[in-house]
Amino acid sequence: AQSVTQLDSHVSVSEGTPVLLRCNYSSSYSPSLFWYVQHPNKGLQLLLKYTSAATLVKGINGFEAEFKKSETSFHLTKPSAHMSDAAEYFCVVTLYSSASKIIFGSGTRLSIRP
Amino acid sequence: GAVVSQHPSWVICKSGTSVKIECRSLDFQATTMFWYRQFPKQSLMLMATSNEGSKATYEQGVEKDKFLINHASLTLSTLTVTSAHPEDSSFYICSARDQGRGVGWQETQYFGPGTRLLVL
Repeated sequence: AQSVTQLDSHVSVSEGTPVLLRCNYSSSYSPSLFWYVQHPNKGLQLLLKYTSAATLVKGINGFEAEFKKSETSFHLTKPSAHMSDAAEYFCVVTLYSSASKIIFGSGTRLSIRP
Repeated sequence: GAVVSQHPSWVICKSGTSVKIECRSLDFQATTMFWYRQFPKQSLMLMATSNEGSKATYEQGVEKDKFLINHASLTLSTLTVTSAHPEDSSFYICSARDQGRGVGWQETQYFGPGTRLLVL
């Protein structure tokens, strides 16, 4: 069965320090992977996506993610956290086997300490 | 580019009334749109897939007669919550796939800003 696991429900970092949000997926087929951010009472904004091109993907706001097939991971990183990064982050997978099937991770809440 | 709008952004209604929520892709065409429901501090739950010109595909456990979906054009899908009750209060989010940017499973979903529904 296909699944997406966000390993941390809550991550707290100090402003200016690196951010790591972890995502692992389970799939028998080639996946497309996405990271979205949701600020309170807002819709989801696309940060970046992997669609079988370069394994290191750069997104908006200084975020990037690396697709590691051997580890079935797609972790989101940022070198230096900013207060405005505080939000909920979702890892999302769509699968070649079913283009209409979208699988959401449970979300990771990122808090930034001053 | 790839902007999705929702209207209204919030709505308060009395129990028993019906509420229509619109989802529009503003600068691209979308043969497929999705409707989600999100409870506080939880992930999105897919309710249904809206297909232009055909019937929507509902996820298991979602009542078709209660959540009516119409996808009359390539840029508009509507969700009507019929005979709303307090338990229908939630944050409803739509998304649209931009088929001009990718193929099939590679297509990116763009999300609307959401509609908060409160049923009294």
